[in-house]
Amino acid sequence: DAGVIQSPRHEVTEMGQEVTLRCKPISGHNSLFWYRQTMMRGLELLIYFNNNVPIDDSGMPEDRFSAKMPNASFSTLKIQPSEPRDSAVYFCASRVSENTEAFFGQGTRLTVV
Amino acid sequence: GENVEQHPSTLSVQEGDSAVIKCTYSDSASNYFPWYKQELGKRPQLIIDIRSNVGEKKDQRIAVTLNKTAKHFSLHITETQPEDSAVYFCAASKSNYQLIWGAGTKLIIKP
Repeated sequence: DAGVIQSPRHEVTEMGQEVTLRCKPISGHNSLFWYRQTMMRGLELLIYFNNNVPIDDSGMPEDRFSAKMPNASFSTLKIQPSEPRDSAVYFCASRVSENTEAFFGQGTRLTVV
Repeated sequence: GENVEQHPSTLSVQEGDSAVIKCTYSDSASNYFPWYKQELGKRPQLIIDIRSNVGEKKDQRIAVTLNKTAKHFSLHITETQPEDSAVYFCAASKSNYQLIWGAGTKLIIKP
């Protein structure tokens, strides 16, 4: 298996533009997480899906952020409109079941100018 | 809700010495405690984990200890090497819940 695959690896966009980050979890994993990492705030959970259903989205900063998981092999995180303070590395992670290893993708480095 | 505190935030040790990173958690129902290593510019990766039915686990130079009564767990790295330099994160979770992460410890190995 190629592991968790995220795209794009890097994204530079202008303030106000829509940004879509993509994630393909490891096949057979039933939980998926979106994290945001910054120097100031560390690793923050944005949203957690279990069997494609959002379980906890309390970490989503505001209505500008939305996430979907239309099937077991694909998830998106959308920011609309983007702002400079959204600049961060966004990680997607998946795990086969609760209390097992979470595998992280390589991350998307987002820069909003 | 669950809260995980991690100390120290930065740890500098001489190559060959041991390093210890400590975490405390608040929810006594937590039963899974992984440790992740994140090298600069890379993704976090699991290095060791422990479940609540075990007090200690070892994997070569790395060990984790768990004290359920005190609600704390620690990562021990012996005979540190330059490649151990990284940020280390602890986490805690309970059944059907997400991982709650510590703030991270930057480990610096001095040659």
